[in-house]
Amino acid sequence: AQRVTQPEKLLSVFKGAPVELKCNYSYSGSPELFWYVQYSRQRLQLLLRHISRESIKGFTADLNKGETSFHLKKPFAQEEDSAMYYCALNTGTYKYIFGTGTRLKVLA
Amino acid sequence: EAEVAQSPRYKITEKSQAVAFWCDPISGHATLYWYRQILGQGPELLVQFQDESVVDDSQLPKDRFSAERLKGVDSTLKIQPAELGDSAMYLCASSPRTATGELFFGEGSRLTVL
Repeated sequence: AQRVTQPEKLLSVFKGAPVELKCNYSYSGSPELFWYVQYSRQRLQLLLRHISRESIKGFTADLNKGETSFHLKKPFAQEEDSAMYYCALNTGTYKYIFGTGTRLKVLA
Repeated sequence: EAEVAQSPRYKITEKSQAVAFWCDPISGHATLYWYRQILGQGPELLVQFQDESVVDDSQLPKDRFSAERLKGVDSTLKIQPAELGDSAMYLCASSPRTATGELFFGEGSRLTVL
């Protein structure tokens, strides 16, 4: 079955601490994975995609096919990183399934 | 900057009534999606259009939900009759014909069924 799992509903960290938001997927084909973010009172938007191998706002994510994971990481959290984060999987024909999301709270 | 437009932003209705949501994607975007997001969950795909054709509506409860994109531009999602369990945020997203993988979301339409 095709599935995206985000095991943490809420993650609280202090400003300046490292952050890791977990994402695991189940997919038989070659996965294409994304992280989307929703800041307070804003619409859902793309943060980064694994094929770009880019760092956006200090966040990176590495696809680990062996562990079927695509965890989102940032070495030093900022208060403005507080948001809802969703991991998404392209299951083919540009059909995207989303995880349940993790709320990140960065404490001052 | 072009954005996906949705209306209404909020809708309160009684069960068994009919409800309709409208979405205007970013100009030129060929693919349009309707997602439903129940509180505390991630977006769940209801229907996907490529131009005016339905690509995937396998998760659309067709006994009460319908969706159309007649001219391959804007789209309407209808629920008739609404049930209590339909209370959710209905999100529209669009993406360009080129395979970037980026979905552009609207602000959503929040439905409350009483």
